[in-house]
Amino acid sequence: SAVISQKPSRDICQRGTSLTIQCQVDSQVTMMFWYRQQPGQSLTLIATANQGSEATYESGFVIDKFPISRPNLTFSTLTVSNMSPEDSSIYLCSVVDRTNTGELFFGEGSRLTVL
Amino acid sequence: AQSVAQPEDQVNVAEGNPLTVKCTYSVSGNPYLFWYVQYPNRGLQFLLKYITGDNLVKGSYGFEAEFNKSQTSFHLKKPSALVSDSALYFCAVRDMDTGRRALTFGSGTRLQVQP
Repeated sequence: SAVISQKPSRDICQRGTSLTIQCQVDSQVTMMFWYRQQPGQSLTLIATANQGSEATYESGFVIDKFPISRPNLTFSTLTVSNMSPEDSSIYLCSVVDRTNTGELFFGEGSRLTVL
Repeated sequence: AQSVAQPEDQVNVAEGNPLTVKCTYSVSGNPYLFWYVQYPNRGLQFLLKYITGDNLVKGSYGFEAEFNKSQTSFHLKKPSALVSDSALYFCAVRDMDTGRRALTFGSGTRLQVQP
């Protein structure tokens, strides 16, 4: 399984500011995903981070709000822009396992609280 | 479109008793099915998966799950619950007949094991 490190693990942010979350994987992976878990809710896919091209966003998520970078096969960032209290969530980075049998491995998550 | 339903928000069971956490799915093609567990303030940990083959799948920590194609179900089971099994459990699906690699998650079921 891949080892995934996320930074920051948690943060408290002011309304209107932006925060960038980093995701580092210990091996090269083809596909990386960013999920959001709102308080008491399930996981919702924000986007697929593609190396060398723009991220692919799910319905309801836009690049201006959640810009994503994927400069290489081991690293990605997700920025939450112009934050509001509704953005208070856990943001999770995940990767597909190397054998491509389907399971995703997750980082510990970044818990954001927006005041 | 693919979807997962977890009909129980919470399951309560006494330590030592068998437990079942229910999951039903909907995909247009053939499913890959997964169970994950989330402990407080942690990311998701992979428990087990069904890809093909035996309908009874064994996973980590003594958990198993039974794939039932006719009922489109993939219930998680354990013969004897431990207090340490108390956590949030997510069922997830991937339609293997599409190119989509991301998983779709259910709403989660909180398992509470009483001593």
